[in-house]
This record gives sequence, C-alpha cells and structure tokens, in this order.
Amino acid sequence: NAGVTQTPKFQVLKTGQSMTLQCAQDMNHNSMYWYRQDPGMGLRLIYYSASEGTTDKGEVPNGYNVSRLNKREFSLRLESAAPSQTSVYFCASSAADGAYEQYFGPGTRLTVT
Amino acid sequence: GESVGLHLPTLSVQEGDNSIINCAYSNSASDYFIWYKQESGKGPQFIIDIRSNMDKRQGQRVTVLLNKTVKHLSLQIAATQPGDSAVYFCADTTDSWGKLQFGAGTQVVVTP
Repeated sequence: NAGVTQTPKFQVLKTGQSMTLQCAQDMNHNSMYWYRQDPGMGLRLIYYSASEGTTDKGEVPNGYNVSRLNKREFSLRLESAAPSQTSVYFCASSAADGAYEQYFGPGTRLTVT
Repeated sequence: GESVGLHLPTLSVQEGDNSIINCAYSNSASDYFIWYKQESGKGPQFIIDIRSNMDKRQGQRVTVLLNKTVKHLSLQIAATQPGDSAVYFCADTTDSWGKLQFGAGTQVVVTP
C-alpha cells in the first residue's frame, strides 16, 4: 500500500495564478483532510470530508476550495493564489467510525511570489 | 476555539536518556488524544494514542500519560535515540468522527 500520496511535491506560483493539489489514499478510508503548516506552527485544518460526497470547512478555509472526487481522492484548489498561502500542505485520511488516527501524506511545498 | 498547547518549544536530550514532552489541553470535553512525530521534510507520523477513559498507555519505547484533572498529556520516550530527533505534536478531538485539533509542536534534539 502506498498510503496517502500527494502531487506535486513542490510548486511555485505567481500571485493570482490557480492550481490544484491532488491527494489519494488506498486504505479505503472514509474521511480525508487538508491541512496547512506554516513555519514553527502546528497543523491547521483547511477543509475536510467526513465521507464520500460531503465536504466541510475547517479552521482556515478562505481562499481554498475542495472536491471529494471519489472515496480515494480529495483535491484542494487555490483559485487565485496569494503570498499568504505560501505554506506546506498536507493531506490526511482516517477510517473514522471511531478510528481517529489520521495518516498523512508527504506534503506539498507551495511558494507564492 | 479551544486548542491544545505545548509547554516547551524545544527539548534537548542526551542520547540514552528518557524524554518527556508535555502538552496542556483546555477542552474538558476532549475524549481522544494522539501524539505525532514529524521528521524534517516529512508528513506527521502516528506514535501513540489514548482515550479519555484511560490514564496511561504504553507502546514500544513510548508511554502516554493523561491527567484529566489538570488537563495534561505527556509523551515519554525511553532511551532516546538520534532517530527520535523530530518535532512532536499532540492533538485532541471531541468530534464523534475525530476531527483533530493540533498543538504547535515541540522540537526534540538528541545530542550524543
């Protein structure tokens, strides 16, 4: 099993450009999450999907949109990138239904200039 | 909202000694707690978890202690090794399906 995979690993954008971060998991998990991590800080939840077909806002959703494409895939879109969105983005998944352990992908390092 | 916090940003430990990483939480309704390890350039990796109906749980070289009276969580690493150098995060949840609230992290540096 690959676990949680993310693409791309690195990305540089200019202010105003758009892009989509891809995430996939092969563990048949119900729930998926997108976090951002800024230097010296913990993980902040952007959006989550408790199950296929549902998405909800987390702590810092402004400037982002998500799509739960199917049970395996959960994408994060930046419609008009801003320098404040420079961060490391992590996708995670969990079985949920009482199993709270989240498994994380390797991250995408995004720089917006 | 309420969040999990950590007492110390950096912990320096000599190789072979035991490490203790502390975490305070503020939400008395939290019913699940988890510790993650994050090595440089990688995603967080699960270490150990504990539910609120327990006060201690042991894993391989790690022990988590939960004191609900003072809302305090700790991670103990026995015989710390260079490979234990990382940032350690605690997190908690009150959700029925487990949306986690993360603390800021503690950097553990293992010295020879």
